Amino acid sequence: AQSVTQLDSQVPVFEEAPVELRCNYSSSVSVYLFWYVQYPNQGLQLLLKYLSGSTLVESINGFEAEFNKSQTSFHLRKPSVHISDTAEYFCAVGGKLIFGQGTELSVKP
Amino acid sequence: DAGITQSPRHKVTETGTPVTLRCHQTENHRYMYWYRQDPGHGLRLIHYSYGVKDTDKGEVSDGYSVSRSKTEDFLLTLESATSSQTSVYFCAISESQGASEQYFGPGTRLTVT
Repeated sequence: AQSVTQLDSQVPVFEEAPVELRCNYSSSVSVYLFWYVQYPNQGLQLLLKYLSGSTLVESINGFEAEFNKSQTSFHLRKPSVHISDTAEYFCAVGGKLIFGQGTELSVKP
Repeated sequence: DAGITQSPRHKVTETGTPVTLRCHQTENHRYMYWYRQDPGHGLRLIHYSYGVKDTDKGEVSDGYSVSRSKTEDFLLTLESATSSQTSVYFCAISESQGASEQYFGPGTRLTVT
């Protein structure tokens, strides 16, 4: 069975600081990994995904995630966050998506 | 944005009453999903559909039923609502499973009193 663990429920950071949101997964089959973002009072939007190939994947707004098979991790990073990045972030492993519990990123001025 | 709508967007109902939530898509995607979102649990899959009249259970299906009579509509029914079903419900669609992105609707906030 597949499962996902997000290691931090809340991450407060100051604007322009770097951030890492941690995600570990377990899966006995080929892995598709996703990060979704949910802004307040909205549905989820895909941020980035790993299907195969390069282990480092990037989003259009400066986030990146690295697939690490040996550590079964898919951590999300951004070198410099903005107030507008305040949201809840979900890691998920696919087929039928299995979601982690979510991490609330709060960016303070 | 993917064309997914959910109705109603907000609903308050009493324990023991039946409730039906509707998801409508204009993308002609084969797969449709119902999730519930609760604090500390992320999103959990209730039921999904892989075609007209083809549905299967997810992780938390007890107390819920679904129907899909047309490609574009996926209905979630709570036959007899309970307070534990107070949640935010999201519909999602995808072209296929596995590598395909899921597109989410705006959600329905359901309160059972």
